[in-house]
Parts: sequence; structure tokens; C-alpha cells
Amino acid sequence: KAGVTQTPRYLIKTRGQQVTLSCSPISGHRSVSWYQQTPGQGLQFLFEYFSETQRNKGNFPGRFSGRQFSNSRSEMNVSTLELGDSALYLCASSLTTSGLNEQFFGPGTRLTVL
Amino acid sequence: SQQGEEDPQALSIQEGENATMNCSYKTSINNLQWYRQNSGRGLVHLILIRSNEREKHSGRLRVTLDTSKKSSSLLITASRAADTASYFCAEGSARQLTFGSGTQLTVLP
Repeated sequence: KAGVTQTPRYLIKTRGQQVTLSCSPISGHRSVSWYQQTPGQGLQFLFEYFSETQRNKGNFPGRFSGRQFSNSRSEMNVSTLELGDSALYLCASSLTTSGLNEQFFGPGTRLTVL
Repeated sequence: SQQGEEDPQALSIQEGENATMNCSYKTSINNLQWYRQNSGRGLVHLILIRSNEREKHSGRLRVTLDTSKKSSSLLITASRAADTASYFCAEGSARQLTFGSGTQLTVLP
């Protein structure tokens, strides 16, 4: 089976812009979770989608949003970018609820906000 | 989200030695998972131990779980240079997976 893929791998944006990141889970996986990783805050949970519905959401402002399509592919969007949004954004897929099973991670999207 | 603490934050050992990393967590868990991350890349799942288990092995990895102390440890035996990476524990619940702060392991050849 193909692994989790994320596009793009690298992205450079300026403050105030918006960005959309994409994640394709492993075939058959219905849960997709997103994480933000920064040196200061570590790995933080953004949200989880399951069968096109947002199941859980972390403690992030409303500028961070996401969605999941019927084929389980997911996108996350960050609007009005701030310097602090510079991070590695990781997507993970699993068969069921994210916390109950092992998760398979993609390589991440490195976002730099200038 | 509340994150658990990992100890030590950094560990440097010689090839062939054993490496032990500890994790303390804060919530009631369904399971405790360990992941490895090579520099700036995605995480790789190593092992999952359920809350009703006390010890689990996978190859050179041994994980223990003490739910009364809310702690877990990961032992890597006979370490190799290729084991150099960051290691994270993660609390698994029905709600989400919550990661600890990680241990940076360096294995010197």
C-alpha cells in the first residue's frame, strides 16, 4: 500500500496570506489527523476528520480549518498567516479514531511565513 | 493540549549500549504509543501498549507501562548509529493522541 502523502512538501508565504495543505491517507483509512510541530511548542494536535466530519479539534484559533472529502483525502487551511504559523505540519491516517490505534504519518509540509 | 514530559530531553550513548527513555503522562489513557522521528521528517510508529498491559517487546525495543504512576519507558537494546532520532511518547485516548516533548537520542559510532 502507498503511504500517506502530503503536498506540497515546502511552502513559503508572507504574513496575511492564506495557505491550503493537502493530505492523502493510506487507502482504506478513514481517519485523518493534523498536527503542528514547532521547536517551542512541540507536536500539537490540530484536528481529526473521520468520514468527512470533524471529530475533534485542538486548541487553535479559527484561522485553522480543515475538511475531508468522500475519498478520505483531507485539506487544512490557514488564513491570515502569522509569523508564528511557521512550522512542520504533519498529517496522519489511521483505521479508526486517531487515539486508539497506531497512526501513519506523512512526510509533512514545511511552512515558512515571512 | 496538555503534554506529557519525557526524560531525558537529550541522550548521547555509544553504539552497542542500551538507551532508556522515560515518559510521564497526565490523562487517563486507552494506550501509550511510541514514535520515532528522524530530523525534520514524519513520525514512524514503533510500538503501542494498551492500558491493561505492563510490558511489550518488538525486536530490540522493550516498553513498560505503569498506570499507577502514569509513566512509561522505552528501552532500545544494542543501539546502532541508525537509531539516532527523536523519540516521542503519545497518550492515546478516544479523543486524540497527545504527544510528549520528546527525547533526542544520539548514538555515536
